[in-house]
Amino acid sequence: EDKVVQSPLSLVVHEGDTVTLNCSYEVTNFRSLLWYKQEKKAPTFLFMLTSSGIEKKSGRLSSILDKKELFSILNITATQTGDSAVYLCAVRGGSEKLVFGKGTKLTVNP
Amino acid sequence: EADIYQTPRYLVIGTGKKITLECSQTMGHDKMYWYQQDPGMELHLIHYSYGVNSTEKGDLSSESTVSRIRTEHFPLTLESARPSHTSQYLCASSAGQGAPNYGYTFGSGTRLTVV
Repeated sequence: EDKVVQSPLSLVVHEGDTVTLNCSYEVTNFRSLLWYKQEKKAPTFLFMLTSSGIEKKSGRLSSILDKKELFSILNITATQTGDSAVYLCAVRGGSEKLVFGKGTKLTVNP
Repeated sequence: EADIYQTPRYLVIGTGKKITLECSQTMGHDKMYWYQQDPGMELHLIHYSYGVNSTEKGDLSSESTVSRIRTEHFPLTLESARPSHTSQYLCASSAGQGAPNYGYTFGSGTRLTVV
């Protein structure tokens, strides 16, 4: 059974801090790993990773995948209060269905 | 802007009522999905469709049913709602493996409360 485990489940930081969110997975016929940001409603797409060692960046957010060790990290530098959200990690295997982790709830205090 | 639309956004209904949650997308995606998410919990896949007249049950057992008569439309129906159905329901669609955007696009969700 495909599985995604995220850690920590909850994190509280101050503005300006740098955070690292972790995602480990077990999946049959791995195809891709995706990160989403979920505020009050729908998850919004951040990154899709398919190859090890290639960092994806978007502004202050970056992510990298390690297919050998079966994990990914999401980094957020110089955090802002607007970064407060639940960050979801999901993997897609051979079935093309996404399997989600429980998410990391990030709270950025001013 | 949203290319996948869910209605209603919020719904409070009485036990035993039949309800249909609507989901439509304008991206021409073949693949569509319904996820159920309880507060603070992960998303669980309850139904998916890889094209017209194709529907499958997901990993989480659900008493709901779905239909896919048109590519753009993937409604979810509960014949007799119960308080245990109270949850958020998220609809998503995805482009195929060869498409530039391989990720899912989610609708804004329907928050259902059954009293």
